[in-house]
Amino acid sequence: QSALTQPASVSGSPGQSITISCTGTSSDVGRYSTVSWYQHHPGKAPKFMIYEVSKRPSGVSNRFSGSKSGNTASLTISGLQAEDEADYYCCSYAGSGTLVFGGGTKLTVL
Amino acid sequence: EVQLVESGGGLVQPGGSLRLSCAASGFTLSTYWMHWVRQVPGKGLVWVSRVNSDGSATTYGDSVKGRFTISRDNAKNTLHLQMNSLGAEDTAVYYCAREFVEGSRQTDVFDIWGQGTMVTVSS
Repeated sequence: QSALTQPASVSGSPGQSITISCTGTSSDVGRYSTVSWYQHHPGKAPKFMIYEVSKRPSGVSNRFSGSKSGNTASLTISGLQAEDEADYYCCSYAGSGTLVFGGGTKLTVL
Repeated sequence: EVQLVESGGGLVQPGGSLRLSCAASGFTLSTYWMHWVRQVPGKGLVWVSRVNSDGSATTYGDSVKGRFTISRDNAKNTLHLQMNSLGAEDTAVYYCAREFVEGSRQTDVFDIWGQGTMVTVSS
């Protein structure tokens, strides 16, 4: 169960769009359509933003979208806002009832 | 209000044991699969373990397999994590989390998280 690979940091200005990648293998991201994304503000509970690659739970802004190609999933945030600044984690089912997270990406809104 | 509250964290010596608890309120624990996730301060989230709704099926991450045991007491709306043979690498904030159910389908997604309990393994 090796952690999925995410960039350590990304940044963007208000109103811009950013994309965070999440690279796994053919045993996790590439095999299953159960990639999810979490937003984590330090000191608070993580919040799920995307599930099953591209589904948005109720209450999550449509500025957040997800996709997947091969072994890499992506989270795109459009119309960046100051409150989007947080850590973002991807997570995938990895078979045999196990899950694996990415290493996390710190998003800075300039 | 739907809520998860962890307890039981603290300082433990290497090789020691600790039992974490997670009290659920605002929903019926017995209808949900539950997980433990940990985070070393300043590092990323790491999935630890999962238990199905009646406690009959459990899975673990490689780093804790054979040392940690997840269990639940649905009558008391409580989830547990028994941690044995603890090492410095187990120092982390431990979160319990509820698995999101869509219709009647499990989704491998966590929709409700607790605030976490800190476990420090040190002599």
